[in-house]
Amino acid sequence: QVQLVQSGAEVKKPGASVRVSCKASGYTFISYGITWVRQAPGQGLEWMGWISANNGNTDYAKKLQDRVTMTTDTSTSTAYMELRSLRFDDTAMYYCARDLGRAGRDAQYWGQGTLVTVSS
Amino acid sequence: QSALTQPRSVSGSPRQSVTISCTGTSSDVGGYNYVSWYQQHPGKAPKLMIFDVSKRPSGVPDRFSGSKSGNTASLTISGLQAEDEADYYCCSYAGSYTYVFGTGTKVTVL
Repeated sequence: QVQLVQSGAEVKKPGASVRVSCKASGYTFISYGITWVRQAPGQGLEWMGWISANNGNTDYAKKLQDRVTMTTDTSTSTAYMELRSLRFDDTAMYYCARDLGRAGRDAQYWGQGTLVTVSS
Repeated sequence: QSALTQPRSVSGSPRQSVTISCTGTSSDVGGYNYVSWYQQHPGKAPKLMIFDVSKRPSGVPDRFSGSKSGNTASLTISGLQAEDEADYYCCSYAGSYTYVFGTGTKVTVL
């Protein structure tokens, strides 16, 4: 069965960077893309970006494109999301999700989420 | 990119139908047939319920249906059940390979 297992919770200071991992199993990794979505406490969902696991092509939300980098390691079927210059309002649950493949980029299978807290 | 507009909450009795609206612009909802809907229970990851306006992934009950007219998309839950109580988010393609979520709607089963 398709599974996405994310790395554990992180506490970071303002200005620091964080890298969240997302290990995939149960499917052919390079046949699908990975979307990253975040959710601040008590708030709605925010689309952060998408990466093709096949060729590494990325698309980022405009408001984050200067601070975010998404990568994949096909040898370990793992996707990564790095966010730099962290601010207090980056505190959120960060989710990775596998898309529908050829059927589209909608996020069908989700990881359990990684809580990133930015605190001084 | 502004979030799509959804009602804060909707409610209905068991077996009734409820409809959630999702209003955007001609640059997102109105411009493409790429609207999806997600269900999120408290403390859980979201679940894809509808994609491409009206398609259901396998395993999603046919009580859930989607539609679109102009700049507004809608999710209808027919035959409301207790387990449908959750938050629902729409999501639309917004051009330049980017996507935007809606503000979210809390569905309460009375």
